[in-house]
Order: sequence, then structure tokens, then C-alpha cells
Amino acid sequence: GQQVMQIPQYQHVQEGEDFTTYCNSSTTLSNIQWYKQRPGGHPVFLIQLVKSGEVKKQKRLTFQFGEAKKNSSLHITATQTTDVGTYFCAGSFTGTASKLTFGTGTRLQVTL
Amino acid sequence: DVKVTQSSRYLVKRTGEKVFLECVQDMDHENMFWYRQDPGLGLRLIYFSYDVKMKEKGDIPEGYSVSREKKERFSLILESASTNQTSMYLCASRRPDRLTEAFFGQGTRLTVV
Repeated sequence: GQQVMQIPQYQHVQEGEDFTTYCNSSTTLSNIQWYKQRPGGHPVFLIQLVKSGEVKKQKRLTFQFGEAKKNSSLHITATQTTDVGTYFCAGSFTGTASKLTFGTGTRLQVTL
Repeated sequence: DVKVTQSSRYLVKRTGEKVFLECVQDMDHENMFWYRQDPGLGLRLIYFSYDVKMKEKGDIPEGYSVSREKKERFSLILESASTNQTSMYLCASRRPDRLTEAFFGQGTRLTVV
């Protein structure tokens, strides 16, 4: 079946360090979305990437979509304690537009 | 403010019981989803519905069924609860367009004893 994997599963950083999570799909994605889940909360939409090679920025967050549309990354520059949470990528596959498949998630812990 | 509401935040059920998890959205969304969340496994899709009375199996449908009699309500049914169905269950909805975001409910933490 169509799977979306993320690495690492968990990362612990000191505040001010950078952080990157990678998302890899077994098949080509039509688009990819990123969500953040704070501890005890539910996933909240961050951003969407549609085009091959697309790069988008939100303040300290940089999102990339691979040229082959099978992978994506989220990079956080100079992490803050407010970045703590689990980051999920989620993709739609060609031919199954209604279905939204989530990745395995990366849990980020930031300490002072 | 958009809202997806799940009927219970915490639920404890006995093995073999029939369990109903309810989800209601007020955004007139056609698509609704049920996921379960387990550590290290992310969000796994159980079932989704793209219209009233329309449903499709997700990646882990075994042991579950769903019902969508009205557009705003999507129910997840555990026919005979088992301990391996202890998990966090998340409902989501979105418009029928792959380019739209999903909105989630607050989740139901189900424990089967």
C-alpha cells in the first residue's frame, strides 16, 4: 500500500539549535501538507506544497517538496521551546484525491 | 470558528463491548476521516467518507465499521472491542479537494480493559 515514513522518530535539541524532519513516500504524491501537534493537542495544519521542487517559508520554518514529489522536509532554524510537538507530513496520492495519508511523525523536544 | 467535535475525550470500555465514537463537524465538509494514533506509528487511516452514506476503507479497517447518515456526523464503531484497539482516535474533516487542509477534533482516548 501507499506509505509515508518520517525520520527521525524523535529528536531532542537545545534551544537555538536547528532541526530537520524528513518525509518519504513509497509512491509519487500529488501534494503534501505539514501539520503540528502540540502535546495533548490535535494536529493543526501548517502549510501545503504542490509543485515539484517547491520551497516555502514561514518565519523560522522552511518546507521543501522534492523534485520527484516523493519526499519532503521541514527545517526549523534556531528552535524555541514553543516548537515542541510532533510534526506530521500528510500526502494525497494521484487517483485517490480524497484520501489523506499521514506520515509516522517526528516528535521534537526542545530544552533550554 | 470551524469546529470538529468528538463526543468523548476519554472512554473506558470492556473487551467484547460494542463501542461508538461520534464526530460532528459544522463546516459542511463532504470528506470525513477516522484515524488512530499510536506512538511510533503516526496517524493511521481507519475509514474515510466522501459523502453521506459513502465510505471507503483506509489502511487498517479490520475490527471497525463506520456510519454516515448525515453530512455533519461520522461515527466509528468497534463491533467487539479488544485490548489492541486501545488508542487515541482522531476524527477529521475537509472539503472534497486534495488542496484543502484537514480540521481535527480533540481526540478520544479509548482504553479497552
